[in-house]
Amino acid sequence: QVQLQESGPGLVKPSQTLSLTCTVSGGSVSSGGYFWTWIRQHPGKGLEWIGYIYYSGSTYYNPSLKSRVTISVDTSKNQFSLKLSSVAAADTGVYYCVLYYDNRFDPWGQGTLVTVSS
Amino acid sequence: DIQMTQSPSSLSASVGDRVTITCRASQSISTYLNWYQQKPGKAPNLLIYAASSLQSGVPSRLSGSGSGTDFTLTINSLQPEDFATYYCQQTYSAPFTFGGGTKVEIK
Repeated sequence: QVQLQESGPGLVKPSQTLSLTCTVSGGSVSSGGYFWTWIRQHPGKGLEWIGYIYYSGSTYYNPSLKSRVTISVDTSKNQFSLKLSSVAAADTGVYYCVLYYDNRFDPWGQGTLVTVSS
Repeated sequence: DIQMTQSPSSLSASVGDRVTITCRASQSISTYLNWYQQKPGKAPNLLIYAASSLQSGVPSRLSGSGSGTDFTLTINSLQPEDFATYYCQQTYSAPFTFGGGTKVEIK
């Protein structure tokens, strides 16, 4: 079964770029029908879908973040990545990588907390 | 964007109770509705997809229903492991949006 694991810096300075990687095991990022997704959760609050990428490289981003988000896939490492530019305190939260298929989000990575602070 | 509204935002219940959580979409989403459970410090876990289909491994005391704009998650005979926060989510159209969550607490 597919398992996902996020990695990346836990602290990012304001105005810099947040960069996270998700390593996929038990499955391939090149598999058809799978969309590799990032979702975040602000502290103590609800969930926000950031966007996803198909193995072909096609992407779809949340319009609220579109100008700052880039999701990419590295098939040689079986990973996909998130870059969020010009971060501010409002971008602090737990970031999850998630598999989307057949209209459902499952499984989820354990999540990684990213704090934006100087 | 499609707005998802859950009610109540929190509730207190006892072990053995029947609990119902509702989710309303701002427009019709057919049955493109999922339910997740989240415990403190953990990632959300898929419970129900397509409004009423139970994800593998999820106990049958949980059930979902609804279509269009109104949906419900029902937990029959609440168990200690059910105390958590529950979220609905629409996958009818991107951006895929979540409800604000319902926290189920011990009475």
